[in-house]
Amino acid sequence: GAVVSQHPSRVICKSGTSVKIECRSLDFQATTMFWYRQFPKQSLMLMATSNEGSKATYEQGVEKDKFLINHASLTLSTLTVTSAHPEDSSFYICSASSGFYQPQHFGDGTRLSIL
Amino acid sequence: GENVEQHPSTLSVQEGDSAVIKCTYSDSASNYFPWYKQELGKGPQLIIDIRSNVGEKKDQRIAVTLNKTAKHFSLHITETQPEDSAVYFCAASESGGGADGLTFGKGTHLIIQP
Repeated sequence: GAVVSQHPSRVICKSGTSVKIECRSLDFQATTMFWYRQFPKQSLMLMATSNEGSKATYEQGVEKDKFLINHASLTLSTLTVTSAHPEDSSFYICSASSGFYQPQHFGDGTRLSIL
Repeated sequence: GENVEQHPSTLSVQEGDSAVIKCTYSDSASNYFPWYKQELGKGPQLIIDIRSNVGEKKDQRIAVTLNKTAKHFSLHITETQPEDSAVYFCAASESGGGADGLTFGKGTHLIIQP
C-alpha cells in the first residue's frame, strides 16, 4: 500500500521550455502533497506544500511563478517548471500524505536536465 | 526554522555487524521523526518513524530511539545485509508528519562490506 507514482522519470529539454511533472497517489487519497528538490549527493529541500483545491504554499526563496503547482484532485498534483533554464536542472521528488498524522510517501522522482 | 544534523556522512560496516546513524534537531516543537532509505536514482522509502510520545520503536532488524530532552534520535540496524547499502535520511516535523514538509538531515551513505 501507499504507492506514489511520478511521471516522467526523466526529462531532457532545451532552455526556455516548460516542463510538467505529475505526481499521483495510486492507492490512497492524498489530502496533502509536497514537492521537494534534490541536488546531486545532497539532501531533499522542500519547495512547496499543496492541499487539494487550495493554492500551494511555497517555501522562502522558491518562485511561485516559476514553479506552478496544481493539486486538482485527491490523487493528483502537478508541478510545472516554466521557461526552464540550466540552473533548474535537478531531481524533483513529490510526496503525499493521507492525513495529519500519516507519514509522507515519496515517488521515485523526476530527473530534469535543461540543455 | 528547524535544523537537522546527521552523522556520520559515510558509514562502512562489515556484513552482519550493526550500524548506527545519529541525528539531532533544533526545534523543541518537532514531534515526528521518520527515517528514509534512498537507493540510487529512486525516491526515499520510509523504513521506520517515531513520534515524540514514544522513546523507542522496533521493526525486525531496524530500531529507532528518541531522546526528547537532548533532542536527538538514532537509527539502529542490526545484522546488516548487502541490500542495506543505500543513503539513509533522518527528518523532523512539528505537524505530525502529514500536514507540513519534512526537514531532512544531509544523509548517511551506508556501505555494507561483504
